[in-house]
Amino acid sequence: KAGVTQTPRYLIKTRGQQVTLSCSPISGHRSVSWYQQTPGQGLQFLFEYFSETQRNKGNFPGRFSGRQFSNSRSEMNVSTLELGDSALYLCASSLVGRVQDTQYFGPGTRLTVL
Amino acid sequence: AQRVTQPEKLLSVFKGAPVELKCNYSYSGSPELFWYVQYSRQRLQLLLRHISRESIKGFTADLNKGETSFHLKKPFAQEEDSAMYYCALLGSSNTGKLIFGQGTTLQVKP
Repeated sequence: KAGVTQTPRYLIKTRGQQVTLSCSPISGHRSVSWYQQTPGQGLQFLFEYFSETQRNKGNFPGRFSGRQFSNSRSEMNVSTLELGDSALYLCASSLVGRVQDTQYFGPGTRLTVL
Repeated sequence: AQRVTQPEKLLSVFKGAPVELKCNYSYSGSPELFWYVQYSRQRLQLLLRHISRESIKGFTADLNKGETSFHLKKPFAQEEDSAMYYCALLGSSNTGKLIFGQGTTLQVKP
């Protein structure tokens, strides 16, 4: 079974631009969660999507948004990029997001904002 | 507030020594806790979850509600255990929201 894939793997943007990151979950998984990983703040939850609906949201500004498609693929968008948005963005998928379901993580997208 | 604390950034032990990675949590309900591991150049992956009461690669973790802790233990460390370990709390029942600690790097010296 193919694992979680994320594209692109690396991105360089400048302040003020916007960016879209993509996550393809494991086949059959319907829950997709996004996390931001930085050296200072560690791993922080951004949001979770299940059946095309946002089910949970972390404490991030409205510049961070996401969506999920009918095939469970998910995208996250960051508008008006700031230097502090430089981070590794991870997505994770699970069957339906129950506690018994294992979350499988992708390799991440490394975003650098200049 | 929901929070996970891992007090040690780095834990360095010799091969064969016991290992205990500390994790404390703050959660108002009944917590669901996990340990995730990231080996060098690999993805973050689940090591174990408390509801399964399992032992994976010789590691165990016991939930202590009185001390709000979920420490990870292994009696005899191996060099291949060297990795970054994250303790995580499920932030909301039956959803995919995980709250992670800052992580502890375990270094096992030969």
